[in-house]
Amino acid sequence: AQTVTQSQPEMSVQEAETVTLSCTYDTSENNYYLFWYKQPPSRQMILVIRQEAYKQQNATENRFSVNFQKAAKSFSLKISDSQLGDTAMYFCACHYSGGGADGLTFGKGTHLIIQP
Amino acid sequence: DAGVIQSPRHEVTEMGQEVTLRCKPISGHNSLFWYRQTMMRGLELLIYFNNNVPIDDSGMPEDRFSAKMPNASFSTLKIQPSEPRDSAVYFCASSLGAKETQYFGPGTRLLVL
Repeated sequence: AQTVTQSQPEMSVQEAETVTLSCTYDTSENNYYLFWYKQPPSRQMILVIRQEAYKQQNATENRFSVNFQKAAKSFSLKISDSQLGDTAMYFCACHYSGGGADGLTFGKGTHLIIQP
Repeated sequence: DAGVIQSPRHEVTEMGQEVTLRCKPISGHNSLFWYRQTMMRGLELLIYFNNNVPIDDSGMPEDRFSAKMPNASFSTLKIQPSEPRDSAVYFCASSLGAKETQYFGPGTRLLVL
């Protein structure tokens, strides 16, 4: 069974600071995709960033970037110049594109609080 | 383009009643997924469809749960009879293909009393 682990239940930083959320995963597959989703209080699941495992270059999306360490099975999310609107639950997810289910396997989430 | 649409947004029902949740995927997407989110178990995949055909329903908790996708623009998740432990947020997501990025609807918050 695939697993995704987020070891930080909650984090709090000041506005404008940089914060890094951790995620590790476990798979024997070679071909997979990694995602970070944001869930604000509205409960909407919003895609933040996506990384293909076969790509060595780390994905970047404006203030959001990842540090993808394939050998270590680590996929952390860095948020630069954090804003109040970044306050939300953040879920790391893995999509295994081998045989079996094509659904996402999610971590338990990190509650990120941006303080004014 | 409209995103994934789910209805109702909130549902309160009594134990034993039938509950039907509805989902309209993004136009052109051929894969549809149903997830459930609870505090205890987090986000779990219940079932997914590819080209309207159920591919994997191993996540469906019991026979009380059933899902259908009669056409490319509509899916239902039915719980009959409902129980208090079914209380959760149910999400529908769609993607261009089973391996592509999934986009989520706003969810249906279900409370079974």
